[in-house]
Amino acid sequence: AQSVTQLGSHVSVSEGALVLLRCNYSSSVPPYLFWYVQYPNQGLQLLLKYTSAATLVKGINGFEAEFKKSETSFHLTKPSAHMSDAAEYFCAVSDQGTGGFKTIFGAGTRLFVKA
Amino acid sequence: NAGVTQTPKFQVLKTGQSMTLQCAQDMNHNSMYWYRQDPGMGLRLIYYSASEGTTDKGEVPNGYNVSRLNKREFSLRLESAAPSQTSVYFCASSELTRVWYEQYFGPGTRLTVT
Repeated sequence: AQSVTQLGSHVSVSEGALVLLRCNYSSSVPPYLFWYVQYPNQGLQLLLKYTSAATLVKGINGFEAEFKKSETSFHLTKPSAHMSDAAEYFCAVSDQGTGGFKTIFGAGTRLFVKA
Repeated sequence: NAGVTQTPKFQVLKTGQSMTLQCAQDMNHNSMYWYRQDPGMGLRLIYYSASEGTTDKGEVPNGYNVSRLNKREFSLRLESAAPSQTSVYFCASSELTRVWYEQYFGPGTRLTVT
């Protein structure tokens, strides 16, 4: 069965510092992995997705994530945090099971950016 | 192009009351979903509709019913609201052409049941 674990419900960084949000997954078949971002009082929007074309995936707003099969990880990074990055980030895994396509979301990591 | 729209944005119900949350998308997507979001639990799938005319249970379907009215609209009904259903509800839609589909989310409905 699929599952997603996001390490750290809250992460705080200073403006200009590296952002690292951790995600580990389990899936019985090759997974498709996503990072979504949720700004306050809004729905989720896609940051980036891994679909097996390349292990390093670049997304919007300077974010990128690397798929590491041996570690079952898909961590999200950004070299330099900006105040506007403050939001909640969700990792998700999707695969095709007996019931069709299913997506499972992690519990989320809230990113705080200090001036 | 409005994307995914949800009504209402906010709702307060008393225990035992019923209500329907409305969702519509204008992207001609085949699949639609209802999630609830609770603190520390991420998003949990309530029901989904892979295509017009079909609906299936997700992870937490108890206490809810859905209707896929047409390709654009997917409603969620609470027949007898309970305080445990206090949550933020999100509707989403996607294409179903490949397993690496992404979902497009509405702005959410904040529901409080007293």
